[in-house]
Amino acid sequence: GPKVLQIPSHQIIDMGQMVTLNCDPVSNHLYFYWYKQILGQQMEFLVNFYNGKVMEKSKLFKDQFSVERPDGSYFTLKIQPTALEDSAVYFCASSPGLGGRREQYFGPGTRLTVL
Amino acid sequence: GDSVTQTEGLVTLTKGLPVMLNCTYQTTYSPFLFWYVQHLNEAPKLLLKSSTDNKRTEHQGFYATLHKSSSSFHLQKSSVQLSDSALYFCALSLYGSSGNKLIFGIGTLLSVKP
Repeated sequence: GPKVLQIPSHQIIDMGQMVTLNCDPVSNHLYFYWYKQILGQQMEFLVNFYNGKVMEKSKLFKDQFSVERPDGSYFTLKIQPTALEDSAVYFCASSPGLGGRREQYFGPGTRLTVL
Repeated sequence: GDSVTQTEGLVTLTKGLPVMLNCTYQTTYSPFLFWYVQHLNEAPKLLLKSSTDNKRTEHQGFYATLHKSSSSFHLQKSSVQLSDSALYFCALSLYGSSGNKLIFGIGTLLSVKP
């Protein structure tokens, strides 16, 4: 089936550094998402992105977070600067559309550890 | 606010037995429900989806029926296999909300023993 790839699978950085998480979504999909999962808790929506713009973001999407997908390349989540509470697994997802085609396809996640 | 509740954190069963994983939701929007399955170190994969009231949907031996009257979308299988051991997430998508975010339950870990 359709696959979403995420690079890297693990990232360890020092607090205050910048980190960029990369996502390669399904090729004909139009909507892109980031979710955050802290160990032992449920996956929570961060942001979604369509046609070059953020459509909706949650309160977890702090000012230090940004997303972009320049020229159809990777869909990225950048955190600058990082904080200890940013340690989590970040899942990228994409979907072909809305309405009856709203199912989201997930990547395997990037485990981010902030020291 | 909108939410999804999965009451069982861990379900342990012997191979061949039936299983039901509970999922209830709260929303004022028209709901679209999903079940995702995540095997160890893999991506969550879509298992089932439904927005139609009282219609059973099936895939890979699993089935679920959306009941809007009770706000439920329980996942069932008549005979579990060892390969069904995984984490199962129920998720809610809302018609009428912008951008189609998913609201997840906390997940149920299904462990199938020989």
